Amino acid sequence: EVQLVESGGGLVKPGGSLRLSCAASGFTFNTFSMNWVRQAPGKGLEWVSSISRSGNSIYYADSVKGRFTISRDNAKNSVYLQMNSLRAEDTALYYCTRDGGSFRDHDPFDIWGQGTMVTVSS
Amino acid sequence: DIQMTQSPSSVSASLGDRVTITCRASQGISSWLAWYQQKSGKAPKLLIYPASTLQSGVPSRFSGSGSGTDFTLTISCLQPEDLATYYCQQADTFPRTFGQGTKVEIK
Repeated sequence: EVQLVESGGGLVKPGGSLRLSCAASGFTFNTFSMNWVRQAPGKGLEWVSSISRSGNSIYYADSVKGRFTISRDNAKNSVYLQMNSLRAEDTALYYCTRDGGSFRDHDPFDIWGQGTMVTVSS
Repeated sequence: DIQMTQSPSSVSASLGDRVTITCRASQGISSWLAWYQQKSGKAPKLLIYPASTLQSGVPSRFSGSGSGTDFTLTISCLQPEDLATYYCQQADTFPRTFGQGTKVEIK
Protein backbone atom coordinates (compact mmCIF):
# COMPACT_ATOMS: atom_id res chain seq x y z
CA GLU A 1 0.00 0.00 0.00
CA VAL A 2 1.31 3.42 -0.96
CA GLN A 3 1.56 5.46 2.21
CA LEU A 4 3.00 8.67 3.62
CA VAL A 5 3.24 9.10 7.38
CA GLU A 6 4.17 12.46 8.87
CA SER A 7 5.57 13.05 12.34
CA GLY A 8 7.29 15.74 14.35
CA GLY A 9 4.52 18.26 14.84
CA GLY A 10 3.76 19.87 18.16
CA LEU A 11 3.51 23.07 20.16
CA VAL A 12 6.42 25.50 19.84
CA LYS A 13 6.97 29.10 20.93
CA PRO A 14 7.38 31.90 18.40
CA GLY A 15 10.94 31.98 17.19
CA GLY A 16 11.39 28.29 17.90
CA SER A 17 12.25 25.39 15.60
CA LEU A 18 10.70 22.10 14.64
CA ARG A 19 11.64 19.32 12.25
CA LEU A 20 8.92 17.42 10.43
CA SER A 21 9.51 13.97 8.97
CA CYS A 22 7.60 12.02 6.36
CA ALA A 23 8.13 8.29 5.96
CA ALA A 24 7.16 6.84 2.60
CA SER A 25 6.31 3.23 1.82
CA GLY A 26 4.77 1.15 -0.93
CA PHE A 27 6.54 2.83 -3.84
CA THR A 28 10.04 3.48 -5.19
CA PHE A 29 10.73 6.65 -3.25
CA ASN A 30 13.74 7.91 -5.20
CA THR A 31 11.72 8.14 -8.44
CA PHE A 32 9.24 10.73 -7.16
CA SER A 33 9.50 14.40 -6.25
CA MET A 34 8.02 15.24 -2.85
CA ASN A 35 6.31 18.24 -1.32
CA TRP A 36 4.93 19.82 1.82
CA VAL A 37 1.51 21.48 1.78
CA ARG A 38 -0.08 23.14 4.81
CA GLN A 39 -3.55 24.08 5.93
CA ALA A 40 -4.18 26.59 8.69
CA PRO A 41 -7.18 25.78 10.91
CA GLY A 42 -10.38 26.43 8.98
CA LYS A 43 -8.46 27.74 5.96
CA GLY A 44 -7.48 26.56 2.50
CA LEU A 45 -4.46 24.71 1.18
CA GLU A 46 -1.06 26.38 0.81
CA TRP A 47 1.91 24.82 -0.97
CA VAL A 48 5.06 25.16 1.14
CA SER A 49 7.99 23.43 -0.58
CA SER A 50 9.03 20.86 -3.17
CA ILE A 51 12.13 18.73 -3.67
CA SER A 52 13.10 16.78 -6.77
CA ARG A 53 13.93 13.07 -6.87
CA SER A 54 17.65 13.62 -6.36
CA GLY A 55 17.26 16.66 -4.13
CA ASN A 56 19.00 18.88 -6.66
CA SER A 57 15.98 21.08 -7.34
CA ILE A 58 14.23 22.73 -4.42
CA TYR A 59 11.45 25.33 -4.31
CA TYR A 60 9.89 27.32 -1.48
CA ALA A 61 6.87 29.53 -0.99
CA ASP A 62 7.87 33.13 -0.33
CA SER A 63 6.18 32.90 3.07
CA VAL A 64 8.75 30.36 4.30
CA LYS A 65 11.83 31.12 2.21
CA GLY A 66 14.89 31.60 4.38
CA ARG A 67 13.23 29.98 7.40
CA PHE A 68 12.29 26.48 6.22
CA THR A 69 14.54 23.85 4.64
CA ILE A 70 13.31 20.78 2.79
CA SER A 71 15.54 17.73 2.42
CA ARG A 72 15.28 14.03 1.68
CA ASP A 73 17.10 10.82 2.43
CA ASN A 74 16.43 8.32 -0.33
CA ALA A 75 18.15 5.56 1.63
CA LYS A 76 15.59 6.05 4.40
CA ASN A 77 12.60 6.73 2.11
CA SER A 78 12.01 9.96 3.97
CA VAL A 79 11.53 13.66 3.37
CA TYR A 80 11.98 16.34 6.01
CA LEU A 81 11.02 19.93 6.69
CA GLN A 82 13.25 21.89 9.06
CA MET A 83 11.29 24.88 10.30
CA ASN A 84 13.15 27.73 12.03
CA SER A 85 12.09 31.16 13.26
CA LEU A 86 8.52 29.95 13.55
CA ARG A 87 5.68 32.46 13.62
CA ALA A 88 2.08 32.27 14.74
CA GLU A 89 1.02 32.29 11.09
CA ASP A 90 2.89 29.02 10.54
CA THR A 91 0.30 27.27 12.70
CA ALA A 92 -1.21 24.63 10.42
CA LEU A 93 -1.65 20.98 9.59
CA TYR A 94 1.35 20.05 7.47
CA TYR A 95 0.79 17.44 4.78
CA CYS A 96 3.51 15.47 3.03
CA THR A 97 2.57 14.83 -0.60
CA ARG A 98 3.97 12.93 -3.55
CA ASP A 99 4.20 14.21 -7.11
CA GLY A 100 2.31 12.04 -9.58
CA GLY A 101 5.39 11.33 -11.65
CA SER A 102 3.72 11.14 -15.06
CA PHE A 103 4.06 14.77 -16.16
CA ARG A 104 7.66 15.81 -15.61
CA ASP A 105 7.77 19.26 -13.96
CA HIS A 106 3.96 19.44 -14.03
CA ASP A 107 2.80 16.79 -11.61
CA PRO A 108 -0.16 17.06 -9.25
CA PHE A 109 -0.05 15.88 -5.66
CA ASP A 110 -1.35 12.36 -6.07
CA ILE A 111 -0.68 10.88 -2.62
CA TRP A 112 -1.20 12.72 0.67
CA GLY A 113 -0.34 11.80 4.22
CA GLN A 114 -2.73 12.45 7.08
CA GLY A 115 -0.78 15.46 8.26
CA THR A 116 1.02 16.56 11.40
CA MET A 117 -0.16 19.59 13.37
CA VAL A 118 2.19 22.46 14.14
CA THR A 119 1.05 25.06 16.65
CA VAL A 120 3.12 28.19 17.22
CA SER A 121 2.05 29.95 20.38
CA SER A 122 3.51 31.45 23.52
CA ASP B 1 2.83 34.13 -9.04
CA ILE B 2 -0.25 32.61 -10.69
CA GLN B 3 -3.43 33.37 -8.78
CA MET B 4 -6.24 30.82 -8.83
CA THR B 5 -9.75 32.14 -8.25
CA GLN B 6 -12.60 29.72 -7.58
CA SER B 7 -16.29 30.45 -7.62
CA PRO B 8 -18.59 30.14 -5.88
CA SER B 9 -17.03 29.90 -2.41
CA SER B 10 -19.92 27.70 -1.37
CA VAL B 11 -22.87 26.02 -3.04
CA SER B 12 -25.93 24.34 -1.59
CA ALA B 13 -27.68 21.85 -3.86
CA SER B 14 -30.17 19.01 -3.67
CA LEU B 15 -29.34 15.37 -4.19
CA GLY B 16 -29.35 14.61 -7.89
CA ASP B 17 -28.60 18.20 -8.88
CA ARG B 18 -25.86 19.24 -11.24
CA VAL B 19 -23.15 21.30 -9.52
CA THR B 20 -20.60 23.40 -11.38
CA ILE B 21 -17.49 24.98 -9.88
CA THR B 22 -15.26 27.30 -11.85
CA CYS B 23 -11.58 28.08 -11.47
CA ARG B 24 -9.78 30.91 -13.22
CA ALA B 25 -6.01 31.28 -13.48
CA SER B 26 -4.44 34.74 -13.61
CA GLN B 27 -2.39 33.62 -16.62
CA GLY B 28 -2.47 30.69 -19.02
CA ILE B 29 -1.56 27.32 -17.54
CA SER B 30 -2.33 25.09 -20.53
CA SER B 31 -4.08 22.04 -19.02
CA TRP B 32 -1.92 21.84 -15.89
CA LEU B 33 -4.91 22.07 -13.57
CA ALA B 34 -5.79 19.65 -10.77
CA TRP B 35 -9.00 19.27 -8.81
CA TYR B 36 -8.98 17.91 -5.26
CA GLN B 37 -11.79 16.84 -2.93
CA GLN B 38 -11.36 17.30 0.81
CA LYS B 39 -13.88 15.78 3.17
CA SER B 40 -14.12 17.02 6.74
CA GLY B 41 -11.13 15.94 8.83
CA LYS B 42 -9.47 14.14 5.95
CA ALA B 43 -6.56 14.77 3.63
CA PRO B 44 -7.35 16.05 0.14
CA LYS B 45 -7.81 13.51 -2.63
CA LEU B 46 -6.81 14.04 -6.25
CA LEU B 47 -9.88 13.80 -8.48
CA ILE B 48 -8.90 15.11 -11.89
CA TYR B 49 -5.58 15.81 -13.67
CA PRO B 50 -4.76 17.26 -16.08
CA ALA B 51 -7.84 19.43 -16.41
CA SER B 52 -10.21 16.76 -17.70
CA THR B 53 -8.72 13.33 -16.90
CA LEU B 54 -10.49 11.48 -14.12
CA GLN B 55 -8.20 9.65 -11.73
CA SER B 56 -8.68 5.93 -11.29
CA GLY B 57 -11.61 5.09 -9.03
CA VAL B 58 -13.25 8.51 -9.22
CA PRO B 59 -16.97 8.22 -10.05
CA SER B 60 -17.93 9.19 -13.57
CA ARG B 61 -20.39 11.81 -12.30
CA PHE B 62 -17.31 14.02 -11.83
CA SER B 63 -15.92 15.73 -14.89
CA GLY B 64 -13.48 18.51 -15.64
CA SER B 65 -13.03 20.81 -18.59
CA GLY B 66 -11.12 23.84 -19.75
CA SER B 67 -7.65 24.95 -20.76
CA GLY B 68 -5.64 28.15 -20.66
CA THR B 69 -7.19 30.25 -17.92
CA ASP B 70 -10.74 28.96 -17.41
CA PHE B 71 -11.64 25.58 -15.94
CA THR B 72 -14.74 23.84 -14.66
CA LEU B 73 -15.45 20.95 -12.30
CA THR B 74 -18.91 19.44 -12.70
CA ILE B 75 -20.72 16.96 -10.51
CA SER B 76 -23.51 15.71 -12.75
CA CYS B 77 -25.75 14.13 -10.14
CA LEU B 78 -24.94 15.16 -6.58
CA GLN B 79 -24.65 12.33 -4.07
CA PRO B 80 -24.51 12.49 -0.25
CA GLU B 81 -20.86 11.42 -0.26
CA ASP B 82 -19.94 14.44 -2.39
CA LEU B 83 -20.28 16.71 0.64
CA ALA B 84 -16.80 18.24 0.71
CA THR B 85 -14.65 21.21 -0.13
CA TYR B 86 -13.16 21.24 -3.62
CA TYR B 87 -9.89 22.93 -4.55
CA CYS B 88 -8.27 23.66 -7.87
CA GLN B 89 -4.47 23.89 -8.13
CA GLN B 90 -2.13 24.86 -10.93
CA ALA B 91 0.91 22.72 -11.70
CA ASP B 92 2.26 24.92 -14.47
CA THR B 93 4.91 26.82 -12.52
CA PHE B 94 6.36 27.31 -9.06
CA PRO B 95 5.08 28.47 -6.68
CA ARG B 96 2.26 25.98 -6.92
CA THR B 97 -0.98 27.74 -6.03
CA PHE B 98 -4.46 26.64 -4.97
CA GLY B 99 -7.85 28.21 -5.32
CA GLN B 100 -9.52 29.25 -2.09
CA GLY B 101 -11.89 26.29 -2.15
CA THR B 102 -15.58 25.69 -2.81
CA LYS B 103 -17.67 24.10 -0.09
CA VAL B 104 -20.42 21.85 -1.45
CA GLU B 105 -23.36 21.39 0.88
CA ILE B 106 -26.46 19.27 0.56
CA LYS B 107 -29.70 21.24 0.66
